[in-house]
Amino acid sequence: RKEVEQDPGPFNVPEGATVAFNCTYSNSASQSFFWYRQDCRKEPKLLMSVYSSGNEDGRFTAQLNRASQYISLLIRDSKLSDSATYLCVVNPGGSQGNLIFGKGTKLSVKP
Amino acid sequence: DAMVIQNPRYQVTQFGKPVTLSCSQTLNHNVMYWYQQKSSQAPKLLFHYYDKDFNNEADTPDNFQSRRPNTSFCFLDIRSPGLGDAAMYLCASSTGYNEQFFGPGTRLTVL
Repeated sequence: RKEVEQDPGPFNVPEGATVAFNCTYSNSASQSFFWYRQDCRKEPKLLMSVYSSGNEDGRFTAQLNRASQYISLLIRDSKLSDSATYLCVVNPGGSQGNLIFGKGTKLSVKP
Repeated sequence: DAMVIQNPRYQVTQFGKPVTLSCSQTLNHNVMYWYQQKSSQAPKLLFHYYDKDFNNEADTPDNFQSRRPNTSFCFLDIRSPGLGDAAMYLCASSTGYNEQFFGPGTRLTVL
């Protein structure tokens, strides 16, 4: 089983659509979780951290289910500018801060 | 603004000709990382420094070396680049407990 698995994508959606990305992780001892966004030929940028209680930032909502080792990202009212690759990222623990990256899910929002 | 800076942004080298990529961070983070990312793949961790302690990933080729002369700077040396080393090289930093902040990357072309 891969350490971090994401929906295969690509997701092609119209503007205004709601889209959900799912991610599972294999290490039950993982301590922190993130969604990063990566535009084509650019560096990954932190979109949001994911907390057990779930958290929301504008149109973006992240959820964590530790029992199922599952993370999700919901994007409401998609904008053209949301087109990017979304990386599910897990910190398996330890003080060195190493991160395990999923392969990413590509989102394309069309007019 | 505090940030992670990489130079150069684009590097062209010849097969077998050594190349050095540089990274600096003004975030005063004690952990710095080097990743290799190829098209449509997740970033692959090559190594990281926790302060001055060097940590090499098991599958990082010997062709790749790193130096961290002080807290702010970190270098990636590729001793004999091959065609398969053409990629985006990303530097990141963190406190070791939270998210990583990435530089803009250096895109390496090997002729």
